[in-house]
Amino acid sequence: DTAVSQTPKYLVTQMGNDKSIKCEQNLGHDTMYWYKQDSKKFLKIMFSYNNKELIINETVPNRFSPKSPDKAHLNLHINSLELGDSAVYFCASSLQAYTGELFFGEGSRLTVL
Amino acid sequence: GDSVTQMEGPVTLSEEAFLTINCTYTATGYPSLFWYVQYPGEGLQLLLKATKADDKGSNKGFEATYRKETTSFHLEKGSVQVSDSAVYFCALSEGGTSYGKLTFGQGTILTVHP
Repeated sequence: DTAVSQTPKYLVTQMGNDKSIKCEQNLGHDTMYWYKQDSKKFLKIMFSYNNKELIINETVPNRFSPKSPDKAHLNLHINSLELGDSAVYFCASSLQAYTGELFFGEGSRLTVL
Repeated sequence: GDSVTQMEGPVTLSEEAFLTINCTYTATGYPSLFWYVQYPGEGLQLLLKATKADDKGSNKGFEATYRKETTSFHLEKGSVQVSDSAVYFCALSEGGTSYGKLTFGQGTILTVHP
């Protein structure tokens, strides 16, 4: 059983489209995150939810909207996709919000044409 | 704000060579420090961590010591294997009100040849 699973793994789409990436964790963790990894491998946090409550919201365009229907799921919806959104998006979870010990999914590679 | 700086890569070594990847940090408080590893095509995995000054984290033959005086957390391994080829990320977390937010270094690509 995969601990943190993301779908889809690959996403190729046109500029201006809207797309979603789903994430589920079966570890019973309270906290989930979205990180963006750019083409130079640099990782930056986007959002974090703790028990369905948004606790971290970095400087991210409004076109990005996370949704956490329950503490095992954290989805990422992106409106009006732009070329600069092309990246690998990683979902992660941790047992508690302050440990820094994260379990990452395998990533979703988004390519915007 | 917090920041992490790693040595520039890529690093290429022969099997059984000694590995050092340098990492220094800037933080306002007393962060926890981490090394994460990303194997090709996979997500990141926690390799080791240290939560206070002079702590040594170790795992799978890798070690790193939290040096507050030099604000460093260098990763070392005495004898690398081909299977260690991956991207290594140094990271810090302030804990508390940072809610576990990790600030990552830029990553160092390690390639080990037989």
